[in-house]
Amino acid sequence: DSGVTQTPKHLITATGQRVTLRCSPRSGDLSVYWYQQSLDQGLQFLIQYYNGEERAKGNILERFSAQQFPDLHSELNLSSLELGDSALYFCASSVAGGRNEQFFGPGTRLTVL
Amino acid sequence: GQQLNQSPQSMFIQEGEDVSMNCTSSSIFNTWLWYKQDPGEGPVLLIALYKAGELTSNGRLTAQFGITRKDSFLNISASIPSDVGIYFCAGTQYSGGGADGLTFGKGTHLIIQP
Repeated sequence: DSGVTQTPKHLITATGQRVTLRCSPRSGDLSVYWYQQSLDQGLQFLIQYYNGEERAKGNILERFSAQQFPDLHSELNLSSLELGDSALYFCASSVAGGRNEQFFGPGTRLTVL
Repeated sequence: GQQLNQSPQSMFIQEGEDVSMNCTSSSIFNTWLWYKQDPGEGPVLLIALYKAGELTSNGRLTAQFGITRKDSFLNISASIPSDVGIYFCAGTQYSGGGADGLTFGKGTHLIIQP
């Protein structure tokens, strides 16, 4: 158990819909990262938040957005969903400030029908 | 964007054999990490490397940060059935001011033959 929690574990929805994925980092970690894992693209970095502020952006679509709240949990919002958005979405956390040891949560499997 | 070339893509080995996999990049990385992922679960951190030339062990696992900072390898000695899974290399060009997102290789699928 990495100490990172994600909900829900599974999510099934339809094209055009909007969903929210939630992540709680390990106790003491200030940085939260979101990744997408698909068969064709592999693991891809989406976005990083550090202590409530956006720190780095990766291959995140404009239809996707995220935020980190004062209690350090984070949410990833996916809107106008397409079939190709079906994937595993992982959250990871790290202490930040010099080390890159990122610890991953169990993931949310999103299926868009 | 950055890419990590991980090889081999898959390995079929006998229990007790040693395993070696590697990762290369066209760009310099300041940090190399190795993860293992089991089906339906998140990647689990195995080893983290922070200095060129660094050699680090974690039980039967040994990993090295290449001198050129463009490659890394992972060795597993005396493989056991629970070693089955997908191994990923990951790197970052982090240079201070907070961490960056990881760039991942495509993974090495380790299969142990009976």
